[in-house]
Amino acid sequence: DAGVTQSPTHLIKTRGQQVTLRCSPISGHKSVSWYQQVLGQGPQFIFQYYEKEERGRGNFPDRFSARQFPNYSSELNVNALLLGDSALYLCASSLALGVLSSGANVLTFGAGSRLTVL
Amino acid sequence: TQLLEQSPQFLSIQEGENLTVYCNSSSVFSSLQWYRQEPGEGPVLLVTVVTGGEVKKLKRLTFQFGDARKDSSLHITAAQPGDTGLYLCAGAIYGGSQGNLIFGKGTKLSVKP
Repeated sequence: DAGVTQSPTHLIKTRGQQVTLRCSPISGHKSVSWYQQVLGQGPQFIFQYYEKEERGRGNFPDRFSARQFPNYSSELNVNALLLGDSALYLCASSLALGVLSSGANVLTFGAGSRLTVL
Repeated sequence: TQLLEQSPQFLSIQEGENLTVYCNSSSVFSSLQWYRQEPGEGPVLLVTVVTGGEVKKLKRLTFQFGDARKDSSLHITAAQPGDTGLYLCAGAIYGGSQGNLIFGKGTKLSVKP
């Protein structure tokens, strides 16, 4: 069974440009979350989508947006890129939204999209 | 702002030594997860702890969730070079969504042969 897949794996953009990152969750997973990981830091939550609706948003500017499609895949868009947007962007999927008593509703991460802004 | 303080940030030890990594917060977590991340890859889940006081073992790794569900530790016995990597703790805020995890900054472990 395929894991979480992300594309592209690497990309280089210049300041002011726009970027779209794509994520396919594990089959059967309805929730997708996006995280930004700057070099030397832990991942930071950007968005969560569940059943095509935004269910959570982290402390990121409006330049960041996302959506989830009927097949539960997702896109993350970043407009007006800044140098500080350079990071590894991680997508993670899970079965459901909330906590399961068994602790089984955990996140599975993809390998990420490495964005470099010059 | 919920913070998850992870320590130490860097750890360089010899093969065979034991080590402990700590995660502490003033917030209560509904669950806490430990991940290991290799350079250029996404975090890979090691364990999830849900119940206060819970202890889980994964071969030479022992994970503990604090009684108050505000802290956790990872203990590695007889570390091996293959244990080298970035270890991340991440907590789901009580009453929140599992998709919104608060991550620590990570502990970069280097085990030398």
